[in-house]
Amino acid sequence: EADIYQTPRYLVIGTGKKITLECSQTMGHDKMYWYQQDPGMELHLIHYSYGVNSTEKGDLSSESTVSRIRTEHFPLTLESARPSHTSQYLCASSVPSGRMDTQYFGPGTRLTVL
Amino acid sequence: GENVEQHPSTLSVQEGDSAVIKCTYSDSASNYFPWYKQELGKGPQLIIDIRSNVGEKKDQRIAVTLNKTAKHFSLHITETQPEDSAVYFCAASGYSSASKIIFGSGTRLSIRP
Repeated sequence: EADIYQTPRYLVIGTGKKITLECSQTMGHDKMYWYQQDPGMELHLIHYSYGVNSTEKGDLSSESTVSRIRTEHFPLTLESARPSHTSQYLCASSVPSGRMDTQYFGPGTRLTVL
Repeated sequence: GENVEQHPSTLSVQEGDSAVIKCTYSDSASNYFPWYKQELGKGPQLIIDIRSNVGEKKDQRIAVTLNKTAKHFSLHITETQPEDSAVYFCAASGYSSASKIIFGSGTRLSIRP
């Protein structure tokens, strides 16, 4: 069982609020990721990081931002939440297994913006 | 760009029967193919993976097959049980440490009692 945590698990918030979704892992993994998951299941990569002070945008454009100041911590911030941000957000980390990455996912944060 | 297609999107099988989920990938440099299972209210969890130098791998009731020439791979679940009900994702990634993993669109598997 991987040790990767996300808080809060559920969040209901009004439009215009600033929010930060927390993600932390205790495995010392260098790579971390944020995915947005549709109600229709599909996983969309929105941010990733290869290590401290490294952040990259993913395949799906997102108004969120991320930071990676510590190896174990990869928070995601929305400066002004909108109803279109309502979704499930999944954090993951990985370490190469041999030379292939195995990703470990957190339990997710379900965000609802009213 | 790189793409992984997964079929079917939904699958319903009778308990005890087999279930098969199929994926195709576009990047011939892909050489690692993990499968994830996502239960309700949880994040996806790795259940089995296969590397490009292997054609088949089995773990109890779960097996994966890989055809590199045709660029497709499959998940087979035999003797299905109610706890197999979940969303399953296939994925593919390449050789270098900078390669990103590409996920399929998911299959929602339901096991009928």
